[in-house]
Amino acid sequence: NAGVTQTPKFRILKIGQSMTLQCTQDMNHNYMYWYRQDPGMGLKLIYYSVGAGITDKGEVPNGYNVSRSTTEDFPLRLELAAPSQTSVYFCASSYSAGGDEQFFGPGTRLTVL
Amino acid sequence: QKEVEQNSGPLSVPEGAIASLNCTYSDRGSQSFFWYRQYSGKSPELIMFIYSNGDKEDGRFTAQLNKASQYVSLLIRDSQPSDSATYLCAVNIGGGSYIPTFGRGTSLIVHP
Repeated sequence: NAGVTQTPKFRILKIGQSMTLQCTQDMNHNYMYWYRQDPGMGLKLIYYSVGAGITDKGEVPNGYNVSRSTTEDFPLRLELAAPSQTSVYFCASSYSAGGDEQFFGPGTRLTVL
Repeated sequence: QKEVEQNSGPLSVPEGAIASLNCTYSDRGSQSFFWYRQYSGKSPELIMFIYSNGDKEDGRFTAQLNKASQYVSLLIRDSQPSDSATYLCAVNIGGGSYIPTFGRGTSLIVHP
């Protein structure tokens, strides 16, 4: 199993550009999450999904969008990139919520200039 | 507002000592508690989880939970330089969305 994979690993965007961060998991997990992590800070939840076709906002959703058309994929869309979106983005998955472990992807380091 | 608080550190301990990492949380309804380790430039990985009051041991790691006082701690015995990392506390609130809330993490440095 590859676990949770993310692409790209690094990206530099100009202000106002858009991009999609890809996330795929092969563990047949129902729950998937997108987090951002700023230097010295913990993980802030952007969006999450409890299954295909179902998504919901987390703590910091502004400037982002998601979709979940399949169990495996959970892409994160950045529209009109801003310097405040410079961060490391982690995708994670778990079989269920509650008492289940989250498995994290390797992360995408995004810089907006 | 659900909050999970951790001292950001750094916590510096000598090799072979016990490292004690603490986490407090605001919601009394919290039911599941997790400790993740994150090496610099890497993604978090699970070390321990605990659901019930008391201690849970796994090798050199012990998680301690006190729901009445709303804190959870992680003890690392015989600390090694390879334990140097940031330790993230995560708390799941039961009865709702079950989405975990993470603390900002405590940086641990184990010096030889």
